[in-house]
Parts: sequence; structure tokens; C-alpha cells
Amino acid sequence: GAGVSQSPRYKVAKRGQDVALRCDPISGHVSLFWYQQALGQGPEFLTYFQNEAQLDKSGLPSDRFFAERPEGSVSTLKIQRTQQEDSAVYLCASSLAGTGNTGELFFGEGSRLTVL
Amino acid sequence: AQSVTQPDIHITVSEGASLELRCNYSYGATPYLFWYVQSPGQGLQLLLKYFSGDTLVQGIKGFEAEFKRSQSSFNLRKPSVHWSDAAEYFCAVNSGGSYIPTFGRGTSLIVHP
Repeated sequence: GAGVSQSPRYKVAKRGQDVALRCDPISGHVSLFWYQQALGQGPEFLTYFQNEAQLDKSGLPSDRFFAERPEGSVSTLKIQRTQQEDSAVYLCASSLAGTGNTGELFFGEGSRLTVL
Repeated sequence: AQSVTQPDIHITVSEGASLELRCNYSYGATPYLFWYVQSPGQGLQLLLKYFSGDTLVQGIKGFEAEFKRSQSSFNLRKPSVHWSDAAEYFCAVNSGGSYIPTFGRGTSLIVHP
């Protein structure tokens, strides 16, 4: 596609439910990032993929968060047993180059998760 | 660890007035610096970036930014603001050893007619 696509755009979950958020990056982009953006805050890094390899997951807040990119294109961020503090916008970004890349990140519009 | 500070949470300007948004970073060596803009309900869009060379960089939509090593700053400027510039602005930094951009908390720009 022309840009980074994320789905769903909006998700309401009851506390304790599992959710899955999808990111479809720009075709051919090697790098894929997930960020979490709380209300009124800047994006906070969650995890990074280069192709299908998850090179950095240091930002994942707990073991309830899991991300994958099995074929090096589409990525899924899964949150198990959601808590209210998980409520945020989850942003996906892709970039053409790999590690050592200093280029532009292309962001999707985000998935807004609300946990009741 | 790299960090970014945007000291102004909100900035209000009149349409046609000049604008300066502040950004300070903490990292010893020359970092890679970025400014992104986020309109409501949209993803972030790159305005401009600095890697090396000329410390005054030009971006899209008439924005520019100046890297000042002595002040660890990378402030964003625009000589004449348009109502459509109302948005959230984020400064970001990659230090030399990291490929993961760190973002500031953002500055919300409000434009009065």
C-alpha cells in the first residue's frame, strides 16, 4: 500500500481480555517499530524488528505484551489480560533501511486502545 | 541514555506571527535529530532532520530548525504561522549508537485567527 496501515483504528476491551493490533508496513521496508503513546505524551518505544527478527524488545512494559513479524512484513502486537493502564494509542512505524539507519520513520495512524 | 526535552507543553500564536518550538537533547556526541508533526487522529509526519553539515536545515511546510551544539538544542522555527499549522510537534533524537528514535513529550501548537 501507499502508507503504513494499522487496524483496528479503535478497540475497546474489557479488563482481562486479550487484544491483537495489526500493522501493515510500507512494502519493502526492512525496519518496523512499535511505539505506545499515552494521552498527552510522546511516543514511547516498545519494540523493533529488522525483517522478521525482533532485535529489541526492551520497551515492552510486561510479559503480557508480545509482538511478532513472522514473514518480515505484517506485524502483530498482542496484549494479554489487558489492564486499564494499557489504554493508549499504539503506533507502528516502518523505515526502508535496517540497523544503523538514520532515515525517516513512516508512521501509521495508530490503534487507540481503551480498556474498561 | 539519550533523552529529549520539550519544555513547552502548549504554545499559542496568532496567525501570521513567527514561531519557535524548543527542543533540548542529552547526548555527548552529535546526534541525529528530527522534528515530526502530528495532526489530530493522524500519524506522525517528518518535517525535517539533521545528521551533519549545515546546522540550519530546511523542511517541509516552510519549517526550519537550527542545531546548536553548545546549547544541545534543535529548535524549530517558522517565520509566519498558518492556521493549518495547529498540531502536535515532536522532537526526536537518535544517538550514534542507537537506531531507535527517542521522542520528546511534544508541544501543542494553537493558532489564533
